[in-house]
Amino acid sequence: IAGITQAPTSQILAAGRRMTLRCTQDMRHNAMYWYRQDLGLGLRLIHYSNTAGTTGKGEVPDGYSVSRANTDDFPLTLASAVPSQTSVYFCASSEGTGGETQYFGPGTRLLVL
Amino acid sequence: GQNIDQPTEMTATEGAIVQINCTYQTSGFNGLFWYQQHAGEAPTFLSYNVLDGLEEKGRFSSFLSRSKGYSYLLLKELQMKDSASYLCAVRDSNYQLIWGAGTKLIIKP
Repeated sequence: IAGITQAPTSQILAAGRRMTLRCTQDMRHNAMYWYRQDLGLGLRLIHYSNTAGTTGKGEVPDGYSVSRANTDDFPLTLASAVPSQTSVYFCASSEGTGGETQYFGPGTRLLVL
Repeated sequence: GQNIDQPTEMTATEGAIVQINCTYQTSGFNGLFWYQQHAGEAPTFLSYNVLDGLEEKGRFSSFLSRSKGYSYLLLKELQMKDSASYLCAVRDSNYQLIWGAGTKLIIKP
């Protein structure tokens, strides 16, 4: 069982380019999340999905979009990357949304130049 | 606003005990989590408190006081592999996790 996988592991991207970060889980968890982690700041929620077919905005959603076509996949898209989106991006999942533990993928390190 | 405060960095000696504090001010409270994150890796779950008191799990214990908005993580018999960042997170009234910036723990021989 792989848990949660993310791709790519790292990426250097020119500003203005479009980029999709992939996230797949095999635990049949209902809820999935995208966070960004920046030095000196806590994890910040970008978008979340409580169940397949639904998505919601987190604390810092601007410049990002998500979709949840099925239970397993939760891709994050940067429509037109900007340098301030340089960060480490973590995908996470939990069985439900009522207090369950969140499990994290290995992260994607993104540098926007 | 919502706020989670933790010390930025702490240093301790191998074999000793260390206590990492976390104070919080959030809109509602539905539980507090502690996660461990080694450098360059993903956070991994350590403990969960929703009621006041101490939860013990091996060398790690976590304490919660909801009236004081306070928690601590206690690590005993420190090992070099415990060198990591420790993240405190509170689930608010909307069941979203609010994260502290983390405490970097450095273990010295």
